[in-house]
Amino acid sequence: AIQLTQSPSSLSASVGDRVTITCRASQGISSALAWYQQKPGKAPKLLIYDASSLESGVPSRFSGSGSGTDFTLTISSLQPEDFATYYCQQFNSYPQITFGQGTRLEIK
Amino acid sequence: QVTLRESGPALVKPTQTLTLTCTFSGFSLSTSGMCVSWVRQPPGKALEWLALIDWDDDKYYSTSLKTRLTISKDTSKNQVVLTMTNMDPVDTATYYCARINGGGSYLFDYWGQGTLVTVSS
Repeated sequence: AIQLTQSPSSLSASVGDRVTITCRASQGISSALAWYQQKPGKAPKLLIYDASSLESGVPSRFSGSGSGTDFTLTISSLQPEDFATYYCQQFNSYPQITFGQGTRLEIK
Repeated sequence: QVTLRESGPALVKPTQTLTLTCTFSGFSLSTSGMCVSWVRQPPGKALEWLALIDWDDDKYYSTSLKTRLTISKDTSKNQVVLTMTNMDPVDTATYYCARINGGGSYLFDYWGQGTLVTVSS
């Protein structure tokens, strides 16, 4: 099974900071990766699909990059509403879908 | 407007079978490429994919849980049902149903609000 490892597991940052979260796959997954944002008590929200495509309605400060085994989610200028947990998800091995363990983004 | 809503018991006893229903609107599970999936999340932990069913009634399960899971659909009622047998306290989690609008990118574009299931005697 393909495993996804996110780093860091948690991160403290300030409003206005540029933040990068990494997701590494245990084997190559091409660009079959999505990123989600989850706030406490809420369902995940799709941000990025196909590694770098921005979901409709998602602010342009969010961007994704990478292919193969290494991927990044970047928030160019953190806003107060961005403090949440972020998950990557691969679908290259569909129908076996896996998620990363999550990265908690906290206010410094 | 696409919506999904999970329903089922909030509390089950160990060894019992859990049955959850996902009722959706705004799309048809008869449309080519469409899928509905179940994902769970234990308190304070990560998301875990469980199962999915597609427009063609193909069913797929997490390798680690496949002996305990059954997924089915009732297209006329816009419902997908998940059963999980032999429940254990470690199965305590929020269970989500989510839509996959296929076409090559198998990601979850709409989610239900989730339902918390506690396994305890």
